[in-house]
Amino acid sequence: GAVVSQHPSWVICKSGTSVKIECRSLDFQATTMFWYRQFPKQSLMLMATSNEGSKATYEQGVEKDKFLINHASLTLSTLTVTSAHPEDSSFYICSMGVQSYEQYFGPGTRLTVT
Amino acid sequence: AQSVTQPDIHITVSEGASLELRCNYSYGATPYLFWYVQSPGQGLQLLLKYFSGDTLVQGIKGFEAEFKRSQSSFNLRKPSVHWSDAAEYFCAVAPPQGNTDKLIFGTGTRLQVFP
Repeated sequence: GAVVSQHPSWVICKSGTSVKIECRSLDFQATTMFWYRQFPKQSLMLMATSNEGSKATYEQGVEKDKFLINHASLTLSTLTVTSAHPEDSSFYICSMGVQSYEQYFGPGTRLTVT
Repeated sequence: AQSVTQPDIHITVSEGASLELRCNYSYGATPYLFWYVQSPGQGLQLLLKYFSGDTLVQGIKGFEAEFKRSQSSFNLRKPSVHWSDAAEYFCAVAPPQGNTDKLIFGTGTRLQVFP
């Protein structure tokens, strides 16, 4: 149980285009969703948190107009990287919170911007 | 500032040997503490967590961790490593009784297991 999927697992896009990443829970509902960014050999950095029915809360230094988060339902969240640039290339990971400090993580999406 | 340090970037052990992965934190108060494992193509999986109480915590897959307040440490141990334990391990902390579930992750330790 508690499976989280991410789609796509890998995407290559051209600079200036937008990319949407989906995060979906398959067998449970989540009240809180998190998006992380992971650079090679570095830790996961929290980008934003969203609760059902409210707008996402972005961490300091994360551009909310560039990284659009839509908490569509209790089982689906999307991250759209708008006008992507090479420096946005990274590994993006979502997680879904069930209750206090209980998070289930997706397998991640590798974004390469050329 | 709140931080989590995992001093060992890469550790190699032989199958059957014991393992200890180090984790130190810098926090004003004792935070909630977690260990996660990340295998290729899979999401992070929670191995164990410490909120309060007994400082020796048992987790899944035969792992345990010990919280030492005096050393601000939460080291992960396993008495006998299996080849399937090869993965990336992350220590994480969260503010106790906070109004969010934010986790702060360490930089990870990559474990390689030789047969």
